[in-house]
Formats: sequence, structure tokens, C-alpha cells
Amino acid sequence: EDQVTQSPEALRLQEGESSSLNCSYTVSGLRGLFWYRQDPGKGPEFLFTLYSAGEEKEKERLKATLTKKESFLHITAPKPEDSATYLCAVWRGKLIFGQGTELSVKP
Amino acid sequence: KAGVTQTPRYLIKTRGQQVTLSCSPISGHRSVSWYQQTPGQGLQFLFEYFSETQRNKGNFPGRFSGRQFSNSRSEMNVSTLELGDSALYLCASRWENTEAFFGQGTRLTVV
Repeated sequence: EDQVTQSPEALRLQEGESSSLNCSYTVSGLRGLFWYRQDPGKGPEFLFTLYSAGEEKEKERLKATLTKKESFLHITAPKPEDSATYLCAVWRGKLIFGQGTELSVKP
Repeated sequence: KAGVTQTPRYLIKTRGQQVTLSCSPISGHRSVSWYQQTPGQGLQFLFEYFSETQRNKGNFPGRFSGRQFSNSRSEMNVSTLELGDSALYLCASRWENTEAFFGQGTRLTVV
């Protein structure tokens, strides 16, 4: 069964304290892994798409990487405005989402 | 260009009633999908429409239905509402086989 698992469920960081979020997946034939950011009460905001192992993408303080079994979202020197829930999903004719990591960055 | 627009943003309905939610995709996007988000289950796929045809369907009861119009706008309908249908309903549009862009959602509360 296709499955996406994110860890940790919640992460509290001090401003400037870098860290990584994990997304592990079990799917046969990956056709895209997606990262989204979601603020409370709003829809998910698209961040990155990764298609093959070894691929990396960056945007401001965020960097997403992909291996054959998992993806990481690295956050470098986070700021309070980076606080949100980060979701990863795989495409299998539909998006299959993990439960998300709730990130809180304190000043 | 304009993003995905969902209306209304908030709804309060009574058990047993029915509700219709609307979604206008990004211009040029022909694929529209619907997802239900709850604290316990996370984001769950409801169905996808492409060029007015349902292309895929999730594991939801028949009370949940949808349709897509020739201009790619989509509606979803939930009949005989139950308390457990309270959720954030999200619509997403895609162009071909690329990333999905989500609207702000409709918060449905069933009382």
C-alpha cells in the first residue's frame, strides 16, 4: 500500500537554528514528490517538486532533497515567519499526503 | 495570474442538509481535484475531474459527488450532512502532469 510518513510531528526551533524535516515513502514507481507549506486555516502552498533520487531544489532558506526512500526538507537559519505545517505528498493518480510536520520558530 | 478560487470560505449547515461548494481553477488548468482535511485524518482525496469527466475517485460514500463544467469550474456536493463531514474542503488545479495548486478552502461546520 502506498504510504507517506513524516517526522517529527512537531518541531520547535529557535530563530537561526537549522534543522531538517523527514518524509519517508513507500510507493511503487514514484511519479513525483511534492512539498507544501500550510498556514492555519489556509490551503497548502506549493514549494517544490522532486522526481528522481539525487535531485535537489532550493528556495530562500529551504532546500529539498530526494533519495529512493525518503525526502528531506532542510531549513537553514529559520525565521519566525517560517512557522507553519509542512506537508509532503506523492503522486499516484492523486496526491497521497503525510500527516505533516508542524514547525514553530521562536525569536 | 489569479489562483484557485473557492467559494464560500465558510459554511455552517445542519445535519441532514445538503451543501454545494464551488471551485474556479487557475486559467488554463483542466484538472480539478477535491480533498477533505480533518485534524484526525489529514488530507484525503475525494475525486478528480478532467475535461468534465471524473478521472479518479477516493474512498468516500456516495453522498459526496462532484461535477465539472466546460469552463473547468467545478462543484462538489455533499448530501445528507453528518457531523463528521465538518472539515476544510480544498480544491486543487493542475496543468497536465505538474504540481497541484490549492485554493484557500471552504470551512464546513455541520451542527
